Amino acid sequence: QQQVKQSPQSLIVQKGGISIINCAYENTAFDYFPWYQQFPGKGPALLIAIRPDVSEKKEGRFTISFNKSAKQFSLHIMDSQPGDSATYFCAARNTGGFKTIFGAGTRLFVKA
Amino acid sequence: DAGITQSPRHKVTETGTPVTLRCHQTENHRYMYWYRQDPGHGLRLIHYSYGVKDTDKGEVSDGYSVSRSKTEDFLLTLESATSSQTSVYFCASREPSTDTQYFGPGTRLTVL
Repeated sequence: QQQVKQSPQSLIVQKGGISIINCAYENTAFDYFPWYQQFPGKGPALLIAIRPDVSEKKEGRFTISFNKSAKQFSLHIMDSQPGDSATYFCAARNTGGFKTIFGAGTRLFVKA
Repeated sequence: DAGITQSPRHKVTETGTPVTLRCHQTENHRYMYWYRQDPGHGLRLIHYSYGVKDTDKGEVSDGYSVSRSKTEDFLLTLESATSSQTSVYFCASREPSTDTQYFGPGTRLTVL
């Protein structure tokens, strides 16, 4: 069974701090790695995504770091804000595949 | 949002009754998905569709069926609901050029 393992399950960060969420995968055929953000009562929404030909992608305060040899990727949220409090899902999809595999999610709480 | 709606948004039903959830998208996306979200499991794929009348099973398809008679509509049916199917159900469609999945607002289903 293809899996994407995500950690931690929950995370509490002080306002202004750095939030780090990690994911690991097994299937080397995965070639697209998105992160989704979900607020309570809403559907997930794409936050940022990376393909394995680059090791890092940054969009504003959000950065994905990708380590192809270790089969790991992580989301860094710089200068975390209370408005970032949400559940974050990492995911992976393989070349030509219809299906995206999601991690179990991380509940982030940013303390004001 | 990519114009994805789900109906109903909330439903309470009894064990053994049939239930149909509807997903409607206005983006003319070819690919559509049904997921269930449960604590500790993230988003798990139930069924997906890659075109009108073209559907396939996901990782947790037992007890569910789907139909897609038009590009814009994707129906999920629980033929005989069980308590283990109590969950939040999300529909999504995928924009192929960016690989982005757009999620609906979800349906909270409770099976008593």
